[in-house]
Amino acid sequence: KAGVTQTPRYLIKTRGQQVTLSCSPISGHRSVSWYQQTPGQGLQFLFEYFSETQRNKGNFPGRFSGRQFSNSRSEMNVSTLELGDSALYLCASRMNTEAFFGQGTRLTVV
Amino acid sequence: DQQVKQNSPSLSVQEGRISILNCDYTNSMFDYFLWYKKYPAEGPTFLISISSIKDKNEDGRFTVFLNKSAKHLSLHIVPSQPGDSAVYFCAASHTGTASKLTFGTGTRLQVTL
Repeated sequence: KAGVTQTPRYLIKTRGQQVTLSCSPISGHRSVSWYQQTPGQGLQFLFEYFSETQRNKGNFPGRFSGRQFSNSRSEMNVSTLELGDSALYLCASRMNTEAFFGQGTRLTVV
Repeated sequence: DQQVKQNSPSLSVQEGRISILNCDYTNSMFDYFLWYKKYPAEGPTFLISISSIKDKNEDGRFTVFLNKSAKHLSLHIVPSQPGDSAVYFCAASHTGTASKLTFGTGTRLQVTL
């Protein structure tokens, strides 16, 4: 059974640009959550999508948005990138109580 | 406000000995707790979880203990192996928002030969 797949693995963007990250959950998992990991703040919850609807949201500015498609694949978008957005972005899919994470996308903003 | 705390940033244990990783939480709404293991540049790997209706859950070499009155949980690894060297995160959630995991800051475990 394939795990959670995130693409791309690495990304370098310039300040002010926008970026889209992709996540394919484990087959059969309808819940997809996104997390940001930085050295200073640790792992922080961004938002969760379930059946194409945002179900929960963390404390991030509106520049961070997401969506989910009918096949449960999810995308996360960050607009007007700032240097502080440099982080490892992790996607997790869930069927019941345990969340299973992808390998993450390392975003560097220069 | 750090609702989940792992006060030991690092821990070194000899191979074969017991590793004990600790985690404290402040939010009494949390009713489900998980431990994840993470290698650099990879996503966290789920290890073990426990519901607040239990005080112990065991899976092979890993046991998690929950003390609700103290708002404290611990992960025991016995015996520790070099491959266990990684950063361990505890995470908590509550039924109302089960998808939203609140993570601790992690403890780096090094298992030495």
